[in-house]
Amino acid sequence: DVKVTQSSRYLVKRTGEKVFLECVQDMDHENMFWYRQDPGLGLRLIYFSYDVKMKEKGDIPEGYSVSREKKERFSLILESASTNQTSMYLCASSSSTGYQETQYFGPGTRLLVL
Amino acid sequence: KNQVEQSPQSLIILEGKNCTLQCNYTVSPFSNLRWYKQDTGRGPVSLTIMTFSENTKSNGRYTATLDADTKQSSLHITASQLSDSASYICVVSPWNNAGNMLTFGGGTRLMVKP
Repeated sequence: DVKVTQSSRYLVKRTGEKVFLECVQDMDHENMFWYRQDPGLGLRLIYFSYDVKMKEKGDIPEGYSVSREKKERFSLILESASTNQTSMYLCASSSSTGYQETQYFGPGTRLLVL
Repeated sequence: KNQVEQSPQSLIILEGKNCTLQCNYTVSPFSNLRWYKQDTGRGPVSLTIMTFSENTKSNGRYTATLDADTKQSSLHITASQLSDSASYICVVSPWNNAGNMLTFGGGTRLMVKP
């Protein structure tokens, strides 16, 4: 069974704080993704990574950065949290070997920025 | 711009009844279409996947259909159970199946009442 875990289920932070969200997958997947999910909107891609130390911007990278020092771990960083970053954050991973790459999602981190 | 529209936004049905969720998309050409189930407070889990050449795919009580000509898909749930209460998300992959270019629908929130 593919397992994607995220460091926190719920987080409450204050405006201006630095926030770290961590994601770990145990299936040796090459690809990892960070999305945010807001009510009524589809998942929006923030950043993704196809290899260790490699990162690419998604559709909404502003205000975020990422780090992938090890294959199994992909971190999302909010350098200075703002209230409009209150959201549900979902991490996903997938393999590059198959044609139809299914993305496997973590349980999500619900972040509230006050 | 690629879009995936789902309807209805929310639905309440009685346990044991059937229901059908709709997904219309503009992604073209596309590689495959997936339906995900997302329980409250959890990450999405893949239910079905169909390529552009497939018309229907079943997974237990879930049956997905695809009409690539009209760019419509539906998810039919038979004999609903309380555990079917969740959000259902339609996801379309572009022609190159690039993991960073998925287009997500906003989801349909289904509540099954006893």
